[in-house]
Amino acid sequence: EVQLVQSGAEVKKPGESLKISCKGSGYSFTSYWIGWVRQMPGKGLEWMGIIYPGDSDTRYSPSFQGQVTISADKSISTAYLQWSSLKASDTAMYYCARHTAAAPFDYWGQGTLVTVSS
Amino acid sequence: SYELTQPPSVSVSPGQTARITCSADALPKQYAYWYQQKPGQAPVLVIYKDSERPSGIPERFSGSSSGTTVTLTISGVQAEDEADYYCQSADSSGTYVFGTGTKVTVL
Repeated sequence: EVQLVQSGAEVKKPGESLKISCKGSGYSFTSYWIGWVRQMPGKGLEWMGIIYPGDSDTRYSPSFQGQVTISADKSISTAYLQWSSLKASDTAMYYCARHTAAAPFDYWGQGTLVTVSS
Repeated sequence: SYELTQPPSVSVSPGQTARITCSADALPKQYAYWYQQKPGQAPVLVIYKDSERPSGIPERFSGSSSGTTVTLTISGVQAEDEADYYCQSADSSGTYVFGTGTKVTVL
């Protein structure tokens, strides 16, 4: 069974750094892209970017390029989304999802709620 | 930047048909995908490659495409179909974008 399990909710202060994770299981982690999606409170879905764990090829939405870093550690089947300096506007639910050639985002993680507040 | 526009809301009575459109602002249109999101839950893929239905998705969900507009149709709407629906497609650079989202209300 394909599963994507994300790390738990985080509460941070503006300016702090953060790295959240997404662990894949039940499939060949290095053979599928993994993507990240932001959903701000009460708002729609936003495509942030994707990474191919097999060779770490990464693509970002222009809206998120330079704002976040997507990475992966294929040895532990885990993808990451990180910030070097959080802002209050980063407060959102973040989902990871498996991206395939046929259907981007066929399996989703449960989401990680990030709250940034002073 | 590439944009996909959906109506903010659609209301439908049980047993009737709901149609949700998604319009791209530029050609060429890539394949479209549709997701259902219920409150407090992660999205679920309901249509891929314009009109294909993943296993486990009820037959009442269907998709179609015409020009730069794609449509998600829910035939015989049930109360459990009340949710937000998002289309998704790719731009020419290979990055993806979601539509603005449509809230489906079952009256």
